[in-house]
Amino acid sequence: DTGVSQNPRHKITKRGQNVTFRCDPISEHNRLYWYRQTLGQGPEFLTYFQNEAQLEKSRLLSDRFSAERPKGSFSTLEIQRTEQGDSAMYLCASSSSDRGITSSYEQYFGPGTRLTVT
Amino acid sequence: AQKITQTQPGMFVQEKEAVTLDCTYDTSDQSYGLFWYKQPSSGEMIFLIYQGSYDEQNATEGRYSLNFQKARKSANLVISASQLGDSAMYFCAMREGAGNQFYFGTGTSLTVIP
Repeated sequence: DTGVSQNPRHKITKRGQNVTFRCDPISEHNRLYWYRQTLGQGPEFLTYFQNEAQLEKSRLLSDRFSAERPKGSFSTLEIQRTEQGDSAMYLCASSSSDRGITSSYEQYFGPGTRLTVT
Repeated sequence: AQKITQTQPGMFVQEKEAVTLDCTYDTSDQSYGLFWYKQPSSGEMIFLIYQGSYDEQNATEGRYSLNFQKARKSANLVISASQLGDSAMYFCAMREGAGNQFYFGTGTSLTVIP
C-alpha cells in the first residue's frame, strides 16, 4: 500500500508525559503537513514541510510541540508535557509540488493518531 | 472572518436521491483552490473533488460535482444517486494562491436513509 501511514493509531497518556507520533508520507511526495482535529471541527493546520525544511508553523503550535522531518521522508510530531487540551486526532497529509503529478496539489491524508490525555 | 463556512451541521437524504452540501468561502486572492473531502467514521480524510478559481467549468468526478459560483463565493458539493456508503462527514477546504495551508470548514454530517 502506498498511502500515507501514521503510527500509532491510538495513544493514551497521562497529563505531563511526552508523546511522539510518526507519519510516513506517499513516497514521491515532497510536501508533508500536520493537522489537529478536535471533535466536531475540521482539521486545523499545525505545520508544513517541504522536503526536510519546516516552512510554516501555525500559532496553534505552542513551544511544547515540535515536528521534524530529518531526511525529507518520514516525519515525527512530539508533544511535551501533554495537557488534557491536547486530546485530539492528529492527522498527517502529503502532497507533491510536481505539476506533472497533479495540478490541484490535493493533500492525501493518513488515518490519523487519536491522542487521549487523562 | 472564517475562511470556509459550512452552515449545515447535518443533512439527511433518501437513498438514490441527490443532495447538495453548502460551502461558502472568503478570500481576497484571485488564485485559489477549493476541495471537498469525505471523512467516514473510520477517520481517514478522502479527497473527492477539486475546483480551481480559474476553471470555467464546474468540476465533476463520478457522482460528485461542484457547483462553483465565483461571484457568490460558493462551492457547493452535489452528490447524485446517494448510496448508503455516502453517510459520512463532508469537509470543504480552500488553499489560497500558492500557499500550503488548507483551511477547512466545520463539516456537514450526511446520513443516507434506506
